[in-house]
Amino acid sequence: GAGVSQSPRYKVAKRGQDVALRCDPISGHVSLFWYQQALGQGPEFLTYFQNEAQLDKSGLPSDRFFAERPEGSVSTLKIQRTQQEDSAVYLCASSGPGTGSYEQYFGPGTRLTVT
Amino acid sequence: GQQLNQSPQSMFIQEGEDVSMNCTSSSIFNTWLWYKQDPGEGPVLLIALYKAGELTSNGRLTAQFGITRKDSFLNISASIPSDVGIYFCAGQLWAGGGNKLTFGTGTQLKVEL
Repeated sequence: GAGVSQSPRYKVAKRGQDVALRCDPISGHVSLFWYQQALGQGPEFLTYFQNEAQLDKSGLPSDRFFAERPEGSVSTLKIQRTQQEDSAVYLCASSGPGTGSYEQYFGPGTRLTVT
Repeated sequence: GQQLNQSPQSMFIQEGEDVSMNCTSSSIFNTWLWYKQDPGEGPVLLIALYKAGELTSNGRLTAQFGITRKDSFLNISASIPSDVGIYFCAGQLWAGGGNKLTFGTGTQLKVEL
């Protein structure tokens, strides 16, 4: 497909479990973003990659959150020792080609529920 | 984190009516984007604005980038049932480290048939 894809679409985790969320950006897009969307809220920035380099991780809420993009394409957001407050929709967006593109295109999101 | 103020928070409209919503910020942005989000889906880009004072249209949608660079407006003309959803504004400020988006609180549009 031509759009951003994310998997899984839904994830239920017991408190304390680790989870990994995957994002496949639009082919050729240099920039990749992760956002967290709580119920009834707008998305909030978590972290940003330019190719494989993580240039901004100022939005990650704690050191339990970790993101990587080792080959500059697919990205994984990992949450260790999940807590109930981590329940949210996690959105991935990409933009490009090039670093001068402003328009971000979003995937469908992964809804994480921590029980 | 920071969220921009959007108004109205929600609105019912009659099919065929025009709709207006706005977004305000305490700080300036270089770019404004408007997205629509349906339940269970990610936000879909509607319009992007790049210059203060710019007025841009996309079909029945018209958006404006405020002169102060602290606000933006979205108008939908002749609304139809598929316009139902949540509309988000997003501001973007290039600061060398990337172009992360700061989103508004959302305007939920409900159409009366």
